[in-house]
Amino acid sequence: DAKTTQPNSMESNEEEPVHLPCNHSTISGTDYIHWYRQLPSQGPEYVIHGLTSNVNNRMASLAIAEDRKSSTLILHRATLRDAAVYYCILRREYGNKLVFGAGTILRVKS
Amino acid sequence: GAGVSQSPRYKVAKRGQDVALRCDPISGHVSLFWYQQALGQGPEFLTYFQNEAQLDKSGLPSDRFFAERPEGSVSTLKIQRTQQEDSAVYLCASRSGAGEHEQFFGPGTRLTVL
Repeated sequence: DAKTTQPNSMESNEEEPVHLPCNHSTISGTDYIHWYRQLPSQGPEYVIHGLTSNVNNRMASLAIAEDRKSSTLILHRATLRDAAVYYCILRREYGNKLVFGAGTILRVKS
Repeated sequence: GAGVSQSPRYKVAKRGQDVALRCDPISGHVSLFWYQQALGQGPEFLTYFQNEAQLDKSGLPSDRFFAERPEGSVSTLKIQRTQQEDSAVYLCASRSGAGEHEQFFGPGTRLTVL
């Protein structure tokens, strides 16, 4: 499985945008980029996924570099409820298991 | 609708005891996954079912770990002769179909082996 690299932790102010980076230089052409987050004492929660084009949904936006070797999860307006561990995961097309790394701990200050 | 549920939420076992952890996936979901999450780490894949068939058990750490899903819905993860290193949160996830992307996770069962 291709590996992802994320910063250990990031801090944001409430109501400001947050850009969470992920490097995946060994990504293959059939790997989808997935983001999950895990709030304290809960199971992971799907956030967004993409292949080549940027993606938007109600939770976040995903910006994918043209060479696909990096991506950024964008939370447009961080709230205290967004404080969580954010995982960037590569999943092969038709693949099943998710391979989690250590993720990025996002702290949101009021 | 109801999400993935797991029981018990907390389990304390003495070393050497057998434990059984239950997962109720979202109704109609074909795929079911088990993950193990040690303290401070990301979840690690254990095993995968499509309906009642266990298609991937490459992540099970030893033959003390056994999972089943006999009728293609509820799943049980059994750990025999528990050891202290088995202490972790065990997460279950389900997915509506093999081609779908999103996995829906339950809240997990926290297992503590004394």
